[in-house]
Amino acid sequence: SQTIHQWPATLVQPVGSPLSLECTVEGTSNPNLYWYRQAAGRGLQLLFYSVGIGQISSEVPQNLSASRPQDRQFILSSKKLLLSDSGFYLCAWSVRDATKFGNGTRLTVT
Amino acid sequence: AQSVTQLDSQVPVFEEAPVELRCNYSSSVSVYLFWYVQYPNQGLQLLLKYLSGSTLVKGINGFEAEFNKSQTSFHLRKPSVHISDTAEYFCAVSDGDDKIIFGKGTRLHILP
Repeated sequence: SQTIHQWPATLVQPVGSPLSLECTVEGTSNPNLYWYRQAAGRGLQLLFYSVGIGQISSEVPQNLSASRPQDRQFILSSKKLLLSDSGFYLCAWSVRDATKFGNGTRLTVT
Repeated sequence: AQSVTQLDSQVPVFEEAPVELRCNYSSSVSVYLFWYVQYPNQGLQLLLKYLSGSTLVKGINGFEAEFNKSQTSFHLRKPSVHISDTAEYFCAVSDGDDKIIFGKGTRLHILP
């Protein structure tokens, strides 16, 4: 069966520090992969999606970046965090009509 | 381009009363439609989905939704809510090959 692992579950980072959130998928090949952010009162916002290794589409200009070094690995990064980067980050995969989400990472930038 | 509109950001409902959470979408191609629920401090969970066939879709926890192509809507309903239904609900659309687009969410408040 397909599973998706996202870590860490919670993270507190100071402003200006780097960020790396990792998401890995098992039990499926060549999935579409997504990073979403849920900011308070703003619902889910698509940040990045990837249809294959090394293929990243950015939906919102910001100081975050994403990479897909392997078929089932999707990484969200930042060189210098801003206060506005605080939020709940969700990784997801989809293959046709099947979709699964990770449990999310709650990031607090202080 | 696809888009999803959830018309209500918050919906207060008394316990055991019925509820309808509204969702409208726009898309130039055939779509898959979804409702997800996010309980406090948890990730998203799929409630139900419409892929094809019957326009009335039944999901978990007593929820159902009706796909209305002419009105481009996919409203979520439950005949009698419980305090445990307190959560945020997201409508989403996908064409199956591309990205999934979510609405901004509707926060359901159950009043005692």
